[in-house]
Amino acid sequence: EVQLVESGGGLVQPGGSLRLSCAASGFTVSSNYMNWVRQAPGKGLEWVSIIYSGGSTYYADSVKGRFTISRDNSKNTLYLQMNSLRVEDTAVYYCARDLVVVVAAAPYFYYALDVWGQGTTVTVSS
Amino acid sequence: QSALTQPASVSGSPGQSITISCTGARSDVGSYNFVSWYQQHPGKAPKLMIYEGTKRPSGVSNRFSGSKSGNTASLTISGLQADDEADYYCCSYAGSSTRVFGGGTKLTVL
Repeated sequence: EVQLVESGGGLVQPGGSLRLSCAASGFTVSSNYMNWVRQAPGKGLEWVSIIYSGGSTYYADSVKGRFTISRDNSKNTLYLQMNSLRVEDTAVYYCARDLVVVVAAAPYFYYALDVWGQGTTVTVSS
Repeated sequence: QSALTQPASVSGSPGQSITISCTGARSDVGSYNFVSWYQQHPGKAPKLMIYEGTKRPSGVSNRFSGSKSGNTASLTISGLQADDEADYYCCSYAGSSTRVFGGGTKLTVL
């Protein structure tokens, strides 16, 4: 079964750090485009970051320079290192996989998120 | 990276059809066919309903359909059912390997 399970959320003071983990099963993280998406309390979804299968990484302007996405291929796990946390970073953080379809042995990515974890809650407060 | 614009709420009676709009810019919705739609029930993770503007993933009811014209994408739900009551979000590729979500629309089934 294809599944994502996040962990690592919690309460942290402004300026602090936290590392989120997302363990995958049923597929290989390193062969896919993997994302982090967050949702502040009572608010909408916000795309945060992506790591491509080739290793390139990209970020939303709101987290650039503070957050780092990475993966551990041996553990089939995605990470989000969050530094210099702000109150406005308070949210449920989801990891999600980009939809990929293999056509003639070549992957085609649709920039749509077809597998989501259950989310982990990050609260930044003093 | 400005959020796409969606109506805050829409409503309809069981059996009716509703349409949710998602307005972006030439730099996102207007330039790419990579528009997706997500359904989110309270306390749950989002679920992919439409991708590449008009395509349904396996297992999603054909009551859900998508379209796009210019800078605006739309999600139509026909034959409304009680379980369709949820929040709906659009999302578009926005270039430079980023993407942007809409603010979300709360669907109420009367």
